[in-house]
Amino acid sequence: AQSVAQPEDQVNVAEGNPLTVKCTYSVSGNPYLFWYVQYPNRGLQFLLKYITGDNLVKGSYGFEAEFNKSQTSFHLKKPSALVSDSALYFCAVRGNNNAGNMLTFGGGTRLMVKP
Amino acid sequence: EPEVTQTPSHQVTQMGQEVILRCVPISNHLYFYWYRQILGQKVEFLVSFYNNEISEKSEIFDDQFSVERPDGSNFTLKIRSTKLEDSAMYFCASSGGLAGYNEQFFGPGTRLTVL
Repeated sequence: AQSVAQPEDQVNVAEGNPLTVKCTYSVSGNPYLFWYVQYPNRGLQFLLKYITGDNLVKGSYGFEAEFNKSQTSFHLKKPSALVSDSALYFCAVRGNNNAGNMLTFGGGTRLMVKP
Repeated sequence: EPEVTQTPSHQVTQMGQEVILRCVPISNHLYFYWYRQILGQKVEFLVSFYNNEISEKSEIFDDQFSVERPDGSNFTLKIRSTKLEDSAMYFCASSGGLAGYNEQFFGPGTRLTVL
């Protein structure tokens, strides 16, 4: 069975400071990893994904994520946070031997960026 | 930019009633999904659909649930006899191509309230 853990319910950061939202995963085979963001009363918006290749993946809105196979982690990062980045962030995983493309999500981390 | 749409945005129903949630996936996508998010909990996979049949389903997707692609554009989720615990936000998603590493694009969701 595949699983995702987001150990922090909330992350607080000041505008302009770097941010990290943590994610660890468990999956059979090689993982496909995704980050999504959810704004209030909106659906999930795709931010970035790791499939293979470079461990550092760049995505939308200046976000990036680093895949670490030995630590089974895929932390989301941004060098300089904006107030508008405040939202709910979800990490998701899919195993590469999963026929149905089912995504398993973490519990979400609320990011609060204060001016 | 193409997007997944869902109707209605909010559905209120009485326990035991049937509901149909509707989705229009992105037009050239081949995989379709339903997920749900009970208030305050994580996003959970319900079912994936490809080539006019279910390719994977979760334990949540019991005999009360069914999916259908009645025409070339709509993708529906039917709950035959709703229960209080079916109250949740239901998200439709779609992805292009056959490879599982394609990101899934989510609709804005239908909030289902069962009274």
